[in-house]
Parts: sequence; structure tokens; C-alpha cells
Amino acid sequence: EPEVTQTPSHQVTQMGQEVILRCVPISNHLYFYWYRQILGQKVEFLVSFYNNEISEKSEIFDDQFSVERPDGSNFTLKIRSTKLEDSAMYFCASSEADRYYGYTFGSGTRLTVV
Amino acid sequence: AQSVTQLDSHVSVSEGTPVLLRCNYSSSYSPSLFWYVQHPNKGLQLLLKYTSAATLVKGINGFEAEFKKSETSFHLTKPSAHMSDAAEYFCVVSESKSGYSTLTFGKGTMLLVSP
Repeated sequence: EPEVTQTPSHQVTQMGQEVILRCVPISNHLYFYWYRQILGQKVEFLVSFYNNEISEKSEIFDDQFSVERPDGSNFTLKIRSTKLEDSAMYFCASSEADRYYGYTFGSGTRLTVV
Repeated sequence: AQSVTQLDSHVSVSEGTPVLLRCNYSSSYSPSLFWYVQHPNKGLQLLLKYTSAATLVKGINGFEAEFKKSETSFHLTKPSAHMSDAAEYFCVVSESKSGYSTLTFGKGTMLLVSP
């Protein structure tokens, strides 16, 4: 069964450093998403991406965040200057079409900011 | 705005007994509804989805859910729990605004299965 692959599975970074979280969505999917789950809290929407541009973003997704699909297969989330409160599990997801088909999530990247 | 309420943070059952995980939602539009499961240190796996077709939806591993519009509910059930069902379960609603959808997650219900 096709999978969404996320790397690394765990990343530790120092406050103020830049991190890039990587995702390889399912090859025929057109919609891409990032969600995050702070420990003990709900899974929260960050951003959706379609046709090489951001289609929706949440209030969480401020100027320190950016997304990119650099080469047609990878989908990355960059956090420019990490803060302690960015520590969370970050999930990438993709879907064939918006809304009706369900999203396939990756296993997540646990980001720890120290 | 859409929202999801999972009524129980923890549900404990014995192996072989029925499972009921409760979910209520609110949505301004015709929603799509999903249940996802998360096993420890694993990603989110789609269990089943409702997308305005049949109101009784069957998913993987013997789970099913019934969409009840009048009650704004989408409860997840399974006739007989297995030890491997122990995990956290998320009820999720999706609605489209401006042509693109976002998922709103409930807080999750931890299912504990005892022998």
C-alpha cells in the first residue's frame, strides 16, 4: 500500500536554529498538508498546498514557517528560527483529491527544541 | 466553523466485549467525517470515512461508524475488542471553505483493552 514517508523520525535542534522537515507524498496525490500535535494537545492544521502554492494556512503558520515542493516529489516544511514551543510531532499528509478521499498521513517527525 | 467533541478521553474494555467511542461534530457545511487511529509511536491511520453516501460506514479491522445528522454524531463501534485495538482514536471533520478543506481533529479517545 502506498505510504507517505517522513524524515527524520526524530530531530533535536537548538532554539533559534532552522530546521527542515521532509516528506515524500504518495506519487499521484495532488494535495499536501502539514499538521502538528503538541504533546497532550489536539492535532492542529498548519497548511495545505496545491498546484505549487499554499491554498490554506492556519494562524499558527506565521512568517517563521514556509513550505516548498522543490523537485516534484518532496514536500518540505521549514521553520526558520525555532522556539521551544515549536516542539511537537509534525505530520505530513497527502490526498488524491481534496476532502472526500481521506488523507494519508506519514508517521511523523518528532521535533524537540532545546 | 467546524468542531469535534470526543466525549470520552479514555475508554476501557475487556477483550471480546463491544467498543463504543463517541463523537459529536458541528459544521456549517455538509461535512466529511473520518476516524483515524494512532498506535504508540506510529502515524495516523485512516479507519473509515463518511462522505455523504451510506450513513453506516464500514472500516478496517471490524470497525464501523454511523452518521446521524439529527444527532450530529458519528460514533465508532466494534462488536468485539481485540488487544491490538488498544490505541488512540481521533474523530475528524472536514469541510471546504473557499474550495479547499481542512481537517479539524477531536482531542482523541484512548482505548484501553484488558485481557
